[in-house]
Amino acid sequence: DQQVKQNSPSLSVQEGRISILNCDYTNSMFDYFLWYKKYPAEGPTFLISISSIKDKNEDGRFTVFLNKSAKHLSLHIVPSQPGDSAVYFCAASSNTGNQFYFGTGTSLTVIP
Amino acid sequence: ETGVTQSPTHLIKTRGQQVTLRCSSQSGHNTVSWYQQALGQGPQFIFQYYREEENGRGNFPPRFSGLQFPNYSSELNVNALELDDSALYLCASSSRGGGGTQYFGPGTRLLVL
Repeated sequence: DQQVKQNSPSLSVQEGRISILNCDYTNSMFDYFLWYKKYPAEGPTFLISISSIKDKNEDGRFTVFLNKSAKHLSLHIVPSQPGDSAVYFCAASSNTGNQFYFGTGTSLTVIP
Repeated sequence: ETGVTQSPTHLIKTRGQQVTLRCSSQSGHNTVSWYQQALGQGPQFIFQYYREEENGRGNFPPRFSGLQFPNYSSELNVNALELDDSALYLCASSSRGGGGTQYFGPGTRLLVL
């Protein structure tokens, strides 16, 4: 049972434009959400997080939006750069839990 | 500040064998979580260790076991290897049991023949 879903396996965006990566979850107990970036042959690198008490968190070019009623979060990257090309995973956990549930990832390609 | 390290980077085993993977947590972190990532999938939680005790387990059989040492480093042991155990094994450390951002190591790629 996949509790975190990333329905787009891949996304291509022109350099300088906005990249929007989407993630849906089913468990209403989730209250902490993260995005990780993964390059081939490396472990996931933490990018940005958001707690359920917020609906937006921004860090430089990266912004995460959380819509609790829709159980949906998204990651916006503006402007997109070729170095952003990687697989992006969203992950979720509950405050009482000890594991993160990951989506299957979205492969982002930023075209120069 | 050193990050999470894992050894070995790659490993080839045959079905039925046993394997031990190792992880050193990031300095200041007392919690280690292990994940299995199959090809084309997201990481799946195996278990977590907090202060040398297992602190939660995912849907993995008992032949997956672990340890955490007083310096917070950790081992993942897998007995009676099966072909489906071929995957990238990721270790993540965090600064408190349970929630909190987890920081991943580079992983160990295991191939079972």
